[in-house]
Amino acid sequence: SQKIEQNSEALNIQEGKTATLTCNYTNYSPAYLQWYRQDPGRGPVFLLLIRENEKEKRKERLKVTFDTTLKQSLFHITASQPADSATYLCALYSGAGSYQLTFGKGTKLSVIP
Amino acid sequence: DVKVTQSSRYLVKRTGEKVFLECVQDMDHENMFWYRQDPGLGLRLIYFSYDVKMKEKGDIPEGYSVSREKKERFSLILESASTNQTSMYLCASSLPKGSPLHFGNGTRLTVT
Repeated sequence: SQKIEQNSEALNIQEGKTATLTCNYTNYSPAYLQWYRQDPGRGPVFLLLIRENEKEKRKERLKVTFDTTLKQSLFHITASQPADSATYLCALYSGAGSYQLTFGKGTKLSVIP
Repeated sequence: DVKVTQSSRYLVKRTGEKVFLECVQDMDHENMFWYRQDPGLGLRLIYFSYDVKMKEKGDIPEGYSVSREKKERFSLILESASTNQTSMYLCASSLPKGSPLHFGNGTRLTVT
């Protein structure tokens, strides 16, 4: 069966360090992978999309990598700040023709001042 | 900016009641979605719609139905609310397949 796993439920890091979150998947052949941020009591907010033919994507302090051989995406936040504390979700479409976006359970990141 | 508006932030209903959750988006998006989010289970897709009057079941459609009479509005209906439907319900919309989802801020439903 198809599965998306975000390896850590929670991650604590010191302010200024780089946070690295992992998303692994099985039995998908995704054309692209998405990352979202969710704050308590709010809906998820889209951050980045990376396509299967892209190894890396950057946006300001965010970087996403996508390794279709390892079936893994890494999400990095450099120079982390307390305001980056949130839950981060990765998401995949079930297939090229699918409308169904399936989410991982998320990693709750806490950046400690 | 896309705005997805869910009609209620908090809702308390009794077991057996019929419950309507409303969602409106203002960006002419073709696709709309209803998810529920529960601790330890993450976001799970209930239903989605890729056009007016079109609907498709997601992973957990049992006990729910949907209605999309206009492009901007997507309603989730709990025909007979049960306590196991207590959850956070999130509506989202998007452009065609593969596009990022834009979420509303959710309706926290409690069924007593």
